[in-house]
Amino acid sequence: LAKTTQPISMDSYEGQEVNITCSHNNIATNDYITWYQQFPSQGPRFIIQGYKTKVTNEVASLFIPADRKSSTLSLPRVSLSDTAVYYCLVGDNDNNDMRFGAGTRLTVKP
Amino acid sequence: GAVVSQHPSWVICKSGTSVKIECRSLDFQATTMFWYRQFPKQSLMLMATSNEGSKATYEQGVEKDKFLINHASLTLSTLTVTSAHPEDSSFYICSARPPVTISYEQYFGPGTRLTVT
Repeated sequence: LAKTTQPISMDSYEGQEVNITCSHNNIATNDYITWYQQFPSQGPRFIIQGYKTKVTNEVASLFIPADRKSSTLSLPRVSLSDTAVYYCLVGDNDNNDMRFGAGTRLTVKP
Repeated sequence: GAVVSQHPSWVICKSGTSVKIECRSLDFQATTMFWYRQFPKQSLMLMATSNEGSKATYEQGVEKDKFLINHASLTLSTLTVTSAHPEDSSFYICSARPPVTISYEQYFGPGTRLTVT
């Protein structure tokens, strides 16, 4: 089981780029890294997933170094609506261990 | 994209009664579904993993006789909170995983707010 560690909270301002790092020192060879966003009283929403190097989609980028012991979620030009809790999960298709870490509470200020 | 629904979205019940929460995968078949509980300002806590046609696997500390999980079909899993008490008041979230995927994906429902009075 690859345990994840994230900062408890982060503050940012509108228009800034936000980078949230997740540590997963004992990640396994078959594990993927997935990030979710959660607003209050809603289920988590998928943001991005990657295995190595860099992945980019329309909302975020995910940077994974060669050793894969950490990953960084990058949110470009955040807005107030990006205020949420962000979770990273590590696992593979056969791993039913879907435990969430504490997550990072991002607050975007005007 | 894949959609998971939950019903009801919120429910209030009296202490001692039972409540059933449904989780449905609307446009895909889910061999595996997960149930979570989330208290205010806390992370999601995995309660159990349910596989279609077999008994659920409960996390340590979760009472299987209190939280009954039935995954009777590939699109439906139910969580029944039996003899509910005020401390069971929480936000319950399910998620579902398709049987064949090249990535580690799960799709979450919108959650069910349970209040026990």
